Amino acid sequence: GQQLNQSPQSMFIQEGEDVSMNCTSSSIFNTWLWYKQDPGEGPVLLIALYKAGELTSNGRLTAQFGITRKDSFLNISASIPSDVGIYFCAAVTSGTYKYIFGTGTRLKVLA
Amino acid sequence: DSGVTQTPKHLITATGQRVTLRCSPRSGDLSVYWYQQSLDQGLQFLIQYYNGEERAKGNILERFSAQQFPDLHSELNLSSLELGDSALYFCASSVADRTLETQYFGPGTRLLVL
Repeated sequence: GQQLNQSPQSMFIQEGEDVSMNCTSSSIFNTWLWYKQDPGEGPVLLIALYKAGELTSNGRLTAQFGITRKDSFLNISASIPSDVGIYFCAAVTSGTYKYIFGTGTRLKVLA
Repeated sequence: DSGVTQTPKHLITATGQRVTLRCSPRSGDLSVYWYQQSLDQGLQFLIQYYNGEERAKGNILERFSAQQFPDLHSELNLSSLELGDSALYFCASSVADRTLETQYFGPGTRLLVL
């Protein structure tokens, strides 16, 4: 079945560094989304992408919808301690409302 | 605050019991989705309702069922509970517009089965 391969699984970075993570799949999607989840909380939507090639920013976050529609990446610039959490990518197939989630990237920021 | 509310926040029960989790979607959202998240796991889609009707099913066990009421709130019923059912259960809602489909998640219900 469809699945999203998210990498890296986890990363430790120094405060101020830039972070990059991505999601890939063998399937085509028409919507990509990035969520952040803090411990014990629900995922919070960061960025939604609806067109292939689309590049969207939200503050220090930038995400792109891959031109092949099979991948997406998320960049975080100048990381700060509150960026700690688990980042999930999610994708939706055209004509359905079923989300498929990546396995998450656990980010830890060292002050 | 996403606008999606879930109750209760925490639930502790014993094996073999039955529980009901409740979700109120964002104002104006017609679709409700239920997800299960086990420890250190990603989100597993369980089921979706749209305007009172079941729209899509994921990896939902036969012991689990859900419904969406006329006021659009939804309940997830978990019966014959097993230890492995301990998890975070999230509800999400969306407008269900075909062109701009974004789900907003509630804070979750943490279920512990002893």
